[in-house]
Amino acid sequence: QSALTQPASVSGSPGQSITISCTGTSIDVGEYNYVSWYQQHPGKAPKLMIYDVSNRPLGVSNRFSGSKSDNTASLTISGLQAEDEADYYCSSYTSSSFPYVFGTGTKVTVL
Amino acid sequence: QVQLVESGGGLVKPGGSLRLSCAASGFPFSDSYMTWIRQAPGKGLEWVSYISPSGSYTNYADSVKGRFTFSRDNAKNSLYLQMNSLRAEDTAVYYCARLVTTTVIDYWGQGTLVTVSS
Repeated sequence: QSALTQPASVSGSPGQSITISCTGTSIDVGEYNYVSWYQQHPGKAPKLMIYDVSNRPLGVSNRFSGSKSDNTASLTISGLQAEDEADYYCSSYTSSSFPYVFGTGTKVTVL
Repeated sequence: QVQLVESGGGLVKPGGSLRLSCAASGFPFSDSYMTWIRQAPGKGLEWVSYISPSGSYTNYADSVKGRFTFSRDNAKNSLYLQMNSLRAEDTAVYYCARLVTTTVIDYWGQGTLVTVSS
């Protein structure tokens, strides 16, 4: 199972909005509404930001939102803040023999 | 308060073995699917394996299938990852984590570093 494709880096100025894409195929992102997004700061464990495409766990800022169209899921961060600078990974359920796959990861830089 | 604490990482030679442990607390462990995820230095996240609440079902990524064994002891709230025939490409931080649903990880440990090198 190949990793989902994410842009290596995305940047934006404080207050701006950015969107990170996560492109899969018809057996993962396109097939299931089971896309999650995780934020990882350097040296730390990942943190769940979005699950089931567009749901936010309790405690996650509403500046984070998720969506999906066909084989591509997206994470949008609005009102970008310095603390949002981190790596972001998507993950999807898949119909492969091992049913989980991560994205390649995106480094978000706040200019 | 949920806690997942990994241990057992270290330096091992290629072809060697290592057993990782993960001690869990603060949630209904015996009702939870659990998973191991790893991250090579400077690289992305990779699913390794997951286990059913009873321990009767496990599944493995192709990269570790036949070499790694995931088990659990619900009486001790503990997970174990037996890693055999280790290769340089197994070098990574290994995280244990809880699957709150079959597709969503809500809690992660702090990770333990495994280095495979001669």
